[in-house]
Amino acid sequence: NAGVTQTPKFQVLKTGQSMTLQCAQDMNHEYMSWYRQDPGMGLRLIHYSVGAGITDQGEVPNGYNVSRSTTEDFPLRLLSAAPSQTSVYFCASSYWSRTGELFFGEGSRLTVL
Amino acid sequence: EDQVTQSPEALRLQEGESSSLNCSYTVSGLRGLFWYRQDPGKGPEFLFTLYSAGEEKEKERLKATLTKKESFLHITAPKPEDSATYLCAVQARFNSGGSNYKLTFGKGTLLTVNP
Repeated sequence: NAGVTQTPKFQVLKTGQSMTLQCAQDMNHEYMSWYRQDPGMGLRLIHYSVGAGITDQGEVPNGYNVSRSTTEDFPLRLLSAAPSQTSVYFCASSYWSRTGELFFGEGSRLTVL
Repeated sequence: EDQVTQSPEALRLQEGESSSLNCSYTVSGLRGLFWYRQDPGKGPEFLFTLYSAGEEKEKERLKATLTKKESFLHITAPKPEDSATYLCAVQARFNSGGSNYKLTFGKGTLLTVNP
C-alpha cells in the first residue's frame, strides 16, 4: 500500500494563478481532509469529506474548493492564489470520520509570489 | 473555542535523559486526545489515542497520560532517533449539535536528542 499520496511536492505560483493539489489514498478510507501548516501555528483544517460525493468546510475554507467523486481521490483547488496561501498542505485520511487517527501524506509545499 | 497549548516549544535533551512534554487543552465535549510525531519534511505520524482521564498508553520509550485538563508525553531514556516535533490534538464536535468531529492541533514541541 502506498498510503496517502500527494502531488506535487513543491509548487511556485504567481498571485492570481489557479492550481490543483492532488491527493489519493489506497486504503479505502471513508474520511479525507486537507490541512495547512504554517510556522508558529497548528495544523488547520481547510475542507473535509466523509465519503464520495460529500464535502464540507473546515476552519479556513476561503479561497479553496474541493470535490470527492471517488473514494480514493480528494483534490484541493486554489481558485486565485494569494501570498497568504503560501503554506505546506497536508492531505489526511482515516477509515471513519469520527476517529482522530489520521494517516497523512508527505505534504505539498506551495509558494505564492 | 477549542484550544490546545503545548509546552515547551522546544526541548533539547542528552541521550538517556528522560523528560516530559505537556499538552493542556480547553474543549467542550472532549472525544479523544491524540499524539502525533512529525519528522522534518514529512507528514505527521499517529502515535497514541487517549479517551478518558487516567488512561495511559505506551510505545517503546514513549508513554502518554491524560488528565481532565492536560496530557503528558513521557520520554524515557531517549535516543537521537526520537528527535522530532511532537504534536497534540484534541477531538470534539465540529458544530454544536452536529454529527461531525474536528481535530484541533497544538503548535507542537520540537524535541532534539543529542548523542
